[in-house]
This record gives sequence, C-alpha cells and structure tokens, in this order.
Amino acid sequence: GENVEQHPSTLSVQEGDSAVIKCTYSDSASNYFPWYKQELGKGPQLIIDIRSNVGEKKDQRIAVTLNKTAKHFSLHITETQPEDSAVYFCAASNSNSGYALNFGKGTSLLVTP
Amino acid sequence: DTEVTQTPKHLVMGMTNKKSLKCEQHMGHRAMYWYKQKAKKPPELMFVYSYEKLSINESVPSRFSPECPNSSLLNLHLHALQPEDSALYLCASSQGAGGAGYEQYFGPGTRLTVT
Repeated sequence: GENVEQHPSTLSVQEGDSAVIKCTYSDSASNYFPWYKQELGKGPQLIIDIRSNVGEKKDQRIAVTLNKTAKHFSLHITETQPEDSAVYFCAASNSNSGYALNFGKGTSLLVTP
Repeated sequence: DTEVTQTPKHLVMGMTNKKSLKCEQHMGHRAMYWYKQKAKKPPELMFVYSYEKLSINESVPSRFSPECPNSSLLNLHLHALQPEDSALYLCASSQGAGGAGYEQYFGPGTRLTVT
C-alpha cells in the first residue's frame, strides 16, 4: 500500500518567515495530493491540493510543488502569521486504494510573533 | 459552501451503552467517509460510502456499524465500545469516490470518550 512520510514533525518560525513542509510517497500510481490544516479542537481543513499533471500550484501565501520523478511534494507558506500555527497533514491517493487518503504523520507548525 | 456538520460535538459513553454519531452535508456529494483520529496522529480511514453503498470497510470491528440513510446523511452506530476506542471521529464528504481524486471536506468531529 501507499506510504507517506512527512518532515519535519515540528517546525517553529518567526512571523514573516517562510515555512516548508516536505512529504514523500511510495506508490507511483498516486496522482492526487492534498494538504490539510488542523487547528486544535477542529476537523482538518483542505488548504490546497495538486494533481499529478501539474508541477506547482499557488494560492496567495500558500504553494505546493510536486516532483513525480522523485515522488515528493512540498508545502510552502510565505509571510507566515501567528494564525498559521496548526498541525499540517499531507496526503496521497490513487485508484488502487479507491482514492482513500493516505496521510503523513503531520507537522506541528508554530509561528511566533 | 463546503460545510459538513457532525453531532454531537462531545459524547461520553459507558462500555455497555449504544449510541450513534451523525453527519450531514448538503453539497450534493455522493461519497461520505468516517475517519478515526487519536491524539497527535493523522486521521485513519474507517469506512467509505459511495452512492449510499458501503464501498470500503478498513477491517473495522463490528462494534462500529455505519449507515447511510440517504446521500446527505451518514451515521455511525456504536455498541459495546472499549476505552481504547476513545478518539475524535471525523466525517468527510467528496463529490465522488473512485474518480480522479476528489476533494474531501471534513466536519469538526465528535470527541468520543468511552468509560
């Protein structure tokens, strides 16, 4: 089955700096890669996603890049703000698993003022 | 609107109780999911319903029984749970399942404590 590894497990940055979270996946059939933000006591919120026919996608301060050859994808947050503090999960899915999401273990991001 | 609602927000139940968790979406999505999330862990898939039919059961114990009465509603019936079943139970929905990777939208979850 698909195995998604996510690094780092914790990340602390100063407000205004950039944050990068990286994920690798094992199944070359995976073709959909969402990122979720989960704040304390809430459900995961889809913040951006990318499909395998695209190398990069951007939405305001958030961007995701995908390298299919190396089987890794990354989340980039620029100009971080304290409200970006949360746990971020990457995921991968493909038809072999019925498009169920295989999550990474999560990154706890802390943005300090 | 990408809202998935779940009730109740919190539930405390004894090991001999029977209770149900409810999930609702009005986005016209045809796939709905139950996930279980333990503290500091990612969500783990339990069940997938596609067009109101159970399509994936991730070897979940029979003390968890899902039900999809219609395309907008998803229930999870709980019976004879164990303390280790205490967790956040998340519902999600997507436009379809088994297609080219549909966005899944999660509800806020039900925090379940089994005593």
